[in-house]
Amino acid sequence: GENVEQHPSTLSVQEGDSAVIKCTYSDSASNYFPWYKQELGKGPQLIIDIRSNVGEKKDQRIAVTLNKTAKHFSLHITETQPEDSAVYFCAANNYGQNFVFGPGTRLSVLP
Amino acid sequence: DGGITQSPKYLFRKEGQNVTLSCEQNLNHDAMYWYRQDPGQGLRLIYYSQIVNDFQKGDIAEGYSVSREKKESFPLTVTSAQKNPTAFYLCASSTGTGGYEQYFGPGTRLTVT
Repeated sequence: GENVEQHPSTLSVQEGDSAVIKCTYSDSASNYFPWYKQELGKGPQLIIDIRSNVGEKKDQRIAVTLNKTAKHFSLHITETQPEDSAVYFCAANNYGQNFVFGPGTRLSVLP
Repeated sequence: DGGITQSPKYLFRKEGQNVTLSCEQNLNHDAMYWYRQDPGQGLRLIYYSQIVNDFQKGDIAEGYSVSREKKESFPLTVTSAQKNPTAFYLCASSTGTGGYEQYFGPGTRLTVT
Protein backbone atom coordinates (compact mmCIF):
# COMPACT_ATOMS: atom_id res chain seq x y z
CA GLY A 1 0.00 0.00 0.00
CA GLU A 2 0.84 3.66 -0.15
CA ASN A 3 3.28 5.18 2.34
CA VAL A 4 3.86 8.92 2.69
CA GLU A 5 6.85 10.44 4.44
CA GLN A 6 7.08 14.13 5.31
CA HIS A 7 10.03 16.32 6.29
CA PRO A 8 10.85 18.22 8.35
CA SER A 9 8.66 17.46 11.34
CA THR A 10 9.17 20.99 12.68
CA LEU A 11 10.22 24.13 10.86
CA SER A 12 10.88 27.62 12.20
CA VAL A 13 11.34 30.58 9.87
CA GLN A 14 11.57 34.32 10.26
CA GLU A 15 8.61 36.34 9.08
CA GLY A 16 9.06 37.19 5.42
CA ASP A 17 11.27 34.18 4.68
CA SER A 18 10.23 31.17 2.62
CA ALA A 19 9.28 27.75 3.95
CA VAL A 20 9.54 24.44 2.12
CA ILE A 21 8.02 21.13 3.22
CA LYS A 22 8.74 17.93 1.32
CA CYS A 23 6.80 14.69 1.00
CA THR A 24 7.66 11.40 -0.67
CA TYR A 25 5.24 8.66 -1.64
CA SER A 26 5.73 5.03 -2.53
CA ASP A 27 2.89 4.09 -4.90
CA SER A 28 3.62 5.23 -8.44
CA ALA A 29 -0.12 4.90 -9.22
CA SER A 30 -1.00 7.79 -6.86
CA ASN A 31 -2.23 10.74 -8.85
CA TYR A 32 -3.74 13.27 -6.43
CA PHE A 33 -1.66 15.19 -3.87
CA PRO A 34 -3.39 17.67 -1.54
CA TRP A 35 -1.89 19.81 1.18
CA TYR A 36 -3.85 20.64 4.33
CA LYS A 37 -3.29 23.28 6.99
CA GLN A 38 -4.47 22.56 10.51
CA GLU A 39 -4.65 25.25 13.15
CA LEU A 40 -4.69 24.33 16.82
CA GLY A 41 -7.89 22.59 17.86
CA LYS A 42 -9.45 22.78 14.39
CA GLY A 43 -10.02 20.48 11.45
CA PRO A 44 -7.59 20.47 8.50
CA GLN A 45 -8.33 22.79 5.59
CA LEU A 46 -7.20 22.24 2.03
CA ILE A 47 -4.79 24.95 0.92
CA ILE A 48 -3.60 23.61 -2.43
CA ASP A 49 -3.58 20.38 -4.40
CA ILE A 50 -1.94 18.99 -7.52
CA ARG A 51 -2.68 16.15 -9.88
CA SER A 52 -0.16 13.93 -11.58
CA ASN A 53 -0.60 15.53 -15.00
CA VAL A 54 0.75 18.84 -13.68
CA GLY A 55 4.27 19.62 -12.46
CA GLU A 56 3.60 22.84 -10.57
CA LYS A 57 0.67 24.83 -9.26
CA LYS A 58 0.65 28.23 -7.61
CA ASP A 59 -1.89 30.18 -5.60
CA GLN A 60 -0.63 33.57 -4.41
CA ARG A 61 2.08 32.87 -1.81
CA ILE A 62 1.63 29.10 -1.92
CA ALA A 63 2.97 26.71 -4.54
CA VAL A 64 3.25 22.95 -4.91
CA THR A 65 5.68 21.09 -7.13
CA LEU A 66 5.48 17.44 -8.14
CA ASN A 67 8.26 15.17 -9.39
CA LYS A 68 6.60 11.93 -10.51
CA THR A 69 9.86 10.25 -11.43
CA ALA A 70 11.31 10.74 -7.97
CA LYS A 71 7.89 10.35 -6.34
CA HIS A 72 8.05 13.46 -4.25
CA PHE A 73 6.13 16.71 -3.97
CA SER A 74 6.80 19.89 -2.05
CA LEU A 75 4.90 22.79 -0.55
CA HIS A 76 6.47 26.23 -0.91
CA ILE A 77 5.26 29.22 1.11
CA THR A 78 6.82 32.58 0.27
CA GLU A 79 6.79 35.79 2.32
CA THR A 80 5.66 33.90 5.41
CA GLN A 81 3.41 35.63 7.92
CA PRO A 82 2.61 34.78 11.56
CA GLU A 83 -0.81 33.47 10.51
CA ASP A 84 0.95 30.79 8.45
CA SER A 85 1.97 29.12 11.73
CA ALA A 86 0.15 25.78 11.85
CA VAL A 87 0.61 22.08 11.19
CA TYR A 88 0.74 21.15 7.52
CA PHE A 89 -0.15 17.69 6.19
CA CYS A 90 0.48 16.25 2.77
CA ALA A 91 -1.47 13.31 1.38
CA ALA A 92 -1.47 11.03 -1.63
CA ASN A 93 -4.07 8.83 -3.22
CA ASN A 94 -5.43 7.26 -6.37
CA TYR A 95 -8.97 7.04 -7.70
CA GLY A 96 -10.93 4.55 -5.67
CA GLN A 97 -8.37 4.55 -2.88
CA ASN A 98 -8.33 6.34 0.43
CA PHE A 99 -6.00 9.15 1.34
CA VAL A 100 -2.71 8.35 3.03
CA PHE A 101 -1.48 11.31 5.08
CA GLY A 102 2.02 12.27 6.02
CA PRO A 103 2.79 12.73 9.74
CA GLY A 104 2.68 16.51 9.55
CA THR A 105 5.05 19.49 9.81
CA ARG A 106 4.68 22.07 12.54
CA LEU A 107 5.57 25.45 11.02
CA SER A 108 6.38 28.37 13.29
CA VAL A 109 6.78 31.83 11.76
CA LEU A 110 8.74 34.02 14.12
CA PRO A 111 8.02 37.78 14.13
CA ASP B 1 -23.65 27.77 4.74
CA GLY B 2 -22.54 24.38 3.44
CA GLY B 3 -20.18 22.31 5.52
CA ILE B 4 -19.59 19.58 8.05
CA THR B 5 -20.59 19.83 11.65
CA GLN B 6 -19.37 17.67 14.50
CA SER B 7 -20.77 17.67 17.97
CA PRO B 8 -19.93 18.07 20.69
CA LYS B 9 -16.55 19.84 20.48
CA TYR B 10 -15.42 18.32 23.79
CA LEU B 11 -16.66 15.05 25.26
CA PHE B 12 -15.78 13.41 28.54
CA ARG B 13 -16.63 9.81 29.44
CA LYS B 14 -15.79 7.26 32.04
CA GLU B 15 -13.89 4.16 31.07
CA GLY B 16 -16.19 1.31 30.11
CA GLN B 17 -18.89 3.52 28.58
CA ASN B 18 -19.77 3.62 24.93
CA VAL B 19 -19.97 7.09 23.39
CA THR B 20 -21.31 8.29 20.03
CA LEU B 21 -19.81 11.18 18.08
CA SER B 22 -22.01 13.04 15.65
CA CYS B 23 -21.10 14.07 12.10
CA GLU B 24 -23.47 15.82 9.71
CA GLN B 25 -22.81 17.27 6.26
CA ASN B 26 -24.99 19.32 3.91
CA LEU B 27 -22.59 19.21 0.96
CA ASN B 28 -24.50 16.39 -0.76
CA HIS B 29 -21.35 14.28 -0.65
CA ASP B 30 -21.56 10.54 -1.15
CA ALA B 31 -18.41 9.61 0.77
CA MET B 32 -17.78 10.19 4.47
CA TYR B 33 -14.83 9.33 6.67
CA TRP B 34 -13.75 9.15 10.30
CA TYR B 35 -10.15 9.80 11.30
CA ARG B 36 -8.36 9.65 14.61
CA GLN B 37 -5.58 12.10 15.43
CA ASP B 38 -3.25 11.65 18.39
CA PRO B 39 -0.95 14.46 19.64
CA GLY B 40 1.85 15.18 17.21
CA GLN B 41 0.69 12.53 14.77
CA GLY B 42 -1.02 12.35 11.44
CA LEU B 43 -4.52 11.23 10.59
CA ARG B 44 -5.43 7.56 10.76
CA LEU B 45 -8.54 6.24 9.01
CA ILE B 46 -11.08 4.49 11.25
CA TYR B 47 -14.05 3.87 8.94
CA TYR B 48 -15.34 5.20 5.66
CA SER B 49 -18.57 5.05 3.72
CA GLN B 50 -18.94 5.51 -0.02
CA ILE B 51 -22.72 5.33 -0.08
CA VAL B 52 -25.73 5.10 2.21
CA ASN B 53 -26.09 1.78 4.03
CA ASP B 54 -22.54 0.77 3.23
CA PHE B 55 -19.29 1.30 5.12
CA GLN B 56 -15.81 -0.19 5.23
CA LYS B 57 -13.15 -0.59 7.90
CA GLY B 58 -10.12 1.62 7.74
CA ASP B 59 -6.71 1.03 9.25
CA ILE B 60 -7.73 1.19 12.92
CA ALA B 61 -11.37 0.04 13.11
CA GLU B 62 -11.06 -2.17 16.20
CA GLY B 63 -13.18 -0.85 19.06
CA TYR B 64 -15.24 1.46 16.84
CA SER B 65 -18.54 1.12 15.01
CA VAL B 66 -20.43 3.30 12.51
CA SER B 67 -23.73 3.53 10.68
CA ARG B 68 -24.79 5.31 7.51
CA GLU B 69 -28.56 5.36 7.43
CA LYS B 70 -28.76 8.80 5.82
CA LYS B 71 -26.54 10.48 3.26
CA GLU B 72 -26.03 13.46 5.55
CA SER B 73 -25.08 11.58 8.71
CA PHE B 74 -22.23 9.26 9.69
CA PRO B 75 -22.09 8.78 13.48
CA LEU B 76 -19.14 7.05 15.13
CA THR B 77 -19.48 4.99 18.29
CA VAL B 78 -16.41 4.50 20.42
CA THR B 79 -17.01 1.29 22.34
CA SER B 80 -15.57 0.10 25.62
CA ALA B 81 -13.44 -2.31 23.57
CA GLN B 82 -11.29 0.57 22.30
CA LYS B 83 -8.25 0.43 24.55
CA ASN B 84 -7.02 4.00 24.11
CA PRO B 85 -10.04 6.08 23.14
CA THR B 86 -8.74 9.49 24.25
CA ALA B 87 -7.99 11.37 21.01
CA PHE B 88 -9.13 14.07 18.59
CA TYR B 89 -11.69 12.67 16.14
CA LEU B 90 -12.20 14.19 12.71
CA CYS B 91 -15.02 13.58 10.29
CA ALA B 92 -14.63 14.33 6.58
CA SER B 93 -16.66 14.05 3.40
CA SER B 94 -15.96 14.10 -0.32
CA THR B 95 -17.76 13.79 -3.63
CA GLY B 96 -16.25 10.35 -4.16
CA THR B 97 -13.43 8.12 -3.04
CA GLY B 98 -9.98 8.92 -4.35
CA GLY B 99 -8.91 12.00 -6.25
CA TYR B 100 -11.48 14.26 -4.64
CA GLU B 101 -10.95 16.95 -2.04
CA GLN B 102 -11.93 15.93 1.45
CA TYR B 103 -13.68 18.53 3.57
CA PHE B 104 -13.10 18.21 7.30
CA GLY B 105 -15.30 19.05 10.25
CA PRO B 106 -14.02 20.96 13.30
CA GLY B 107 -13.36 17.77 15.26
CA THR B 108 -14.39 16.32 18.62
CA ARG B 109 -11.90 15.92 21.42
CA LEU B 110 -12.79 12.84 23.44
CA THR B 111 -11.32 12.30 26.88
CA VAL B 112 -11.91 9.01 28.66
CA THR B 113 -10.86 8.63 32.28
